Amino acid sequence: GQNIDQPTEMTATEGAIVQINCTYQTSGFNGLFWYQQHAGEAPTFLSYNVLDGLEEKGRFSSFLSRSKGYSYLLLKELQMKDSASYLCAVGLSGNTPLVFGKGTRLSVIA
Amino acid sequence: DAGITQSPRHKVTETGTPVTLRCHQTENHRYMYWYRQDPGHGLRLIHYSYGVKDTDKGEVSDGYSVSRSKTEDFLLTLESATSSQTSVYFCAISESGLDNEQFFGPGTRLTVL
Repeated sequence: GQNIDQPTEMTATEGAIVQINCTYQTSGFNGLFWYQQHAGEAPTFLSYNVLDGLEEKGRFSSFLSRSKGYSYLLLKELQMKDSASYLCAVGLSGNTPLVFGKGTRLSVIA
Repeated sequence: DAGITQSPRHKVTETGTPVTLRCHQTENHRYMYWYRQDPGHGLRLIHYSYGVKDTDKGEVSDGYSVSRSKTEDFLLTLESATSSQTSVYFCAISESGLDNEQFFGPGTRLTVL
């Protein structure tokens, strides 16, 4: 089966940096996605990694190590509006749907 | 934002009644998906479609059926709703493949009493 692990909850302080980890054990790999989901809203796409390394997009960066089955999402200069759930999803080789982790609920406190 | 709408946005129904949720897209994307999202379980795939009249089951398909007679519409039917189907249902679409970035609709909150 496919397994994706993320911490259930995290808390961080406004202005700080937080790293949300995602580990995966899947039969095949064709890229890793991060989504943000505010309470009561739909998930929205944040980033995509298919090669090893760091992808930076403003305050958000995402890292991938395929050999370790590991990714993280780094959020810098945290703002209250970053309080949300962050979902990790893996694309498998072959034409099969994405597999989602259960998400990490991030609370940003003053 | 991708043009995806879901209807209804909220519904309360009784156990044993049939329910149909509609997902409509204006992006002409080939692939469409239905998920349910519950606390502690995350997003779980119910059914997906890879073209008109082409559908397949996801991990939690029991008690659900789907139909796709047009590119733009993907219907999810609960033949006889049960309380365990109380959930938030999301539709999603993707353009180039099942393992591609997905865009999500606003969701439907369904309560089965």
